[in-house]
Amino acid sequence: SQTIHQWPATLVQPVGSPLSLECTVEGTSNPNLYWYRQAAGRGLQLLFYSVGIGQISSEVPQNLSASRPQDRQFILSSKKLLLSDSGFYLCAWTLRSYGYTFGSGTRLTVV
Amino acid sequence: KNEVEQSPQNLTAQEGEFITINCSYSVGISALHWLQQHPGGGIVSLFMLSSGKKKHGRLIATINIQEKHSSLHITASHPRDSAVYICAVYGNTGNQFYFGTGTSLTVIP
Repeated sequence: SQTIHQWPATLVQPVGSPLSLECTVEGTSNPNLYWYRQAAGRGLQLLFYSVGIGQISSEVPQNLSASRPQDRQFILSSKKLLLSDSGFYLCAWTLRSYGYTFGSGTRLTVV
Repeated sequence: KNEVEQSPQNLTAQEGEFITINCSYSVGISALHWLQQHPGGGIVSLFMLSSGKKKHGRLIATINIQEKHSSLHITASHPRDSAVYICAVYGNTGNQFYFGTGTSLTVIP
């Protein structure tokens, strides 16, 4: 069966510290992978998506970056966190429009 | 203007009531999803639609492709249905989902 793992579940980081959130998918090959952020009281905002290894598209310019070192691994990073980076981050995968599945999310609080 | 508009934004209902959440979109799509987000943040996919109607338990989802509109219905609502319901469409011109801002549903016992 297809599953998606995202960690950590919660994270409290000081301003200026680095960030690394990881997402891995099992049970499928060559999925489209996505990072979304949900700020308090707002809808889901697409940050990055990837259609293959090393292929990253950025939707929102900011101090975050994403990488896809392996087919089923998607990493969200920052060199220096800002207070405005606080939010709920979700990883998701699809095979085009099918099998759309979200990870359990990471609640990031930047203090 | 958002590609996906949902209404209402907030909804409070008494247990047992019939509930409807609406979604309108402005882009060409290959599929529409209804998602449920619980207070802890986790999201589950309820339905994926490209035409017609689907039913799962007390949940019914319909889509009208010509009118670019979908509805999610909950029959005999229950407090455990309390959650945020999100409409998402998969555009047919790229690898991207567009999301509504969600409808926050509270069902009171």
